[in-house]
Amino acid sequence: QQKVQQSPESLIVPEGGMASLNCTSSDRNVDYFWWYRQHSGKSPKMLMSIFSNGEKEEGRFTVHLNKASLHTSLHIRDSQPSDSALYLCAASSGTGGYKVVFGSGTRLLVSP
Amino acid sequence: GPKVLQIPSHQIIDMGQMVTLNCDPVSNHLYFYWYKQILGQQMEFLVNFYNGKVMEKSKLFKDQFSVERPDGSYFTLKIQPTALEDSAVYFCASSLGGYAEQFFGPGTRLTVL
Repeated sequence: QQKVQQSPESLIVPEGGMASLNCTSSDRNVDYFWWYRQHSGKSPKMLMSIFSNGEKEEGRFTVHLNKASLHTSLHIRDSQPSDSALYLCAASSGTGGYKVVFGSGTRLLVSP
Repeated sequence: GPKVLQIPSHQIIDMGQMVTLNCDPVSNHLYFYWYKQILGQQMEFLVNFYNGKVMEKSKLFKDQFSVERPDGSYFTLKIQPTALEDSAVYFCASSLGGYAEQFFGPGTRLTVL
C-alpha cells in the first residue's frame, strides 16, 4: 500500500525564519505531488503542486521535486505567524485512478 | 474562488443508523472525492468518482459505504449501518481534472454514539 511520509512531525521557527518540510512517497507510480495547508478547524487549501523535476517558486513558497527519489520539499521563507498550520503533502498517480494519498502532516508553529 | 458546500456541518446519530452526507461540488468540476479526517490529523482518502462511477476506493471504504451523484445533484456519501469508528470529519472535494487542484468543502463532523 502506498505510503506518503512527512517529516518532521512538528516544527517551530521564529517569525521571519525559513521553514523546511519534507515528503517522500513509497509508490514508484506516483507522478504528481501537492502541498496543502490546513488551519485548525478548517479545510485544506492547496499551496502548490509539482510534477516535474526541479524547483517551483510562488512568492514566499518554494517546492522542490526529485522524481528519482520521489522526494518533495516545501520551503517557506520569511515565515509569518499566520503560516502556523498543518501542512499536508499528497501524492497521486494516473495509473492509480487518481487516488490521492496524504501524508500525516507537519505541524508548523511560527513564533512571534 | 470556487466553493464546495457540505450539508450538514455536524451530524450526531446513534450507532447502527444510516447517515447521508451531502456535497455540492464546484459546478463545472468532473472529479469528486471523499476523505476522512480524525482529530485534525491524517487525511485519509476514501473514494473518488468520475463520470458516474467509482474510480478508486481505499480499504477504509467499507461495504457499508456508498457514493452516488444522481443527475448532477449532490454528491453523497451514505453509511449504512454506522459504527463508532465512523466518527470523524468527512471532507468532500472536487476538481476539474484528475491532476487538477482539488477544492475542499468545510467538512461534516459526524459523531456516532
